[in-house]
Amino acid sequence: GENVEQHPSTLSVQEGDSAVIKCTYSDSASNYFPWYKQELGKGPQLIIDIRSNVGEKKDQRIAVTLNKTAKHFSLHITETQPEDSAVYFCAARVTGGGNKLTFGTGTQLKVEL
Amino acid sequence: GAVVSQHPSRVICKSGTSVKIECRSLDFQATTMFWYRQFPKQSLMLMATSNEGSKATYEQGVEKDKFLINHASLTLSTLTVTSAHPEDSSFYICSARSPGQGYNYGYTFGSGTRLTVV
Repeated sequence: GENVEQHPSTLSVQEGDSAVIKCTYSDSASNYFPWYKQELGKGPQLIIDIRSNVGEKKDQRIAVTLNKTAKHFSLHITETQPEDSAVYFCAARVTGGGNKLTFGTGTQLKVEL
Repeated sequence: GAVVSQHPSRVICKSGTSVKIECRSLDFQATTMFWYRQFPKQSLMLMATSNEGSKATYEQGVEKDKFLINHASLTLSTLTVTSAHPEDSSFYICSARSPGQGYNYGYTFGSGTRLTVV
């Protein structure tokens, strides 16, 4: 089945700096790659997603890039703010795989003042 | 946007008892519901997938007789943890999907249920 690896596991940045989180996936049939933000004690919230027919997508301070050849995708957060501090998960969905999402291991992002 | 209401948010039960967790899709029809378990500082692990009106499909290693899933309607799915034990203590999260739902390509997560078995 699909395997998603995520790095780094923890990331600490200064307010205003950029943060980058990277994920790799194993199944070339994956066609949908969402990113979720999870705050303590809450369910995941979608922050951005990308489909396999697109290489990059941006929404204000957040962007995602996808390299299908290398089977990796990345989350970029610019001008980080303290409220960006949370755990971020990447995920991948395999075509025909019952629409299941396979999640990465998560990145604890801490934005310091 | 789409909303999935999950209840209860927290529950404490005694070892050996059963606990039911509900997930309702409030403004769309959830043809598929996914149930996840998340241990502290870990990722979401899929437990089972249920389609409305059908039996749930469980992931390898998940006991179907212990984690009973019912998806009898397009707006309600329940997870019942039977004969709960302390090792079942975890954060349980549901995710609903409707093929026709444009928002976030059809996956909407509940707010999670913190289960503590004492």
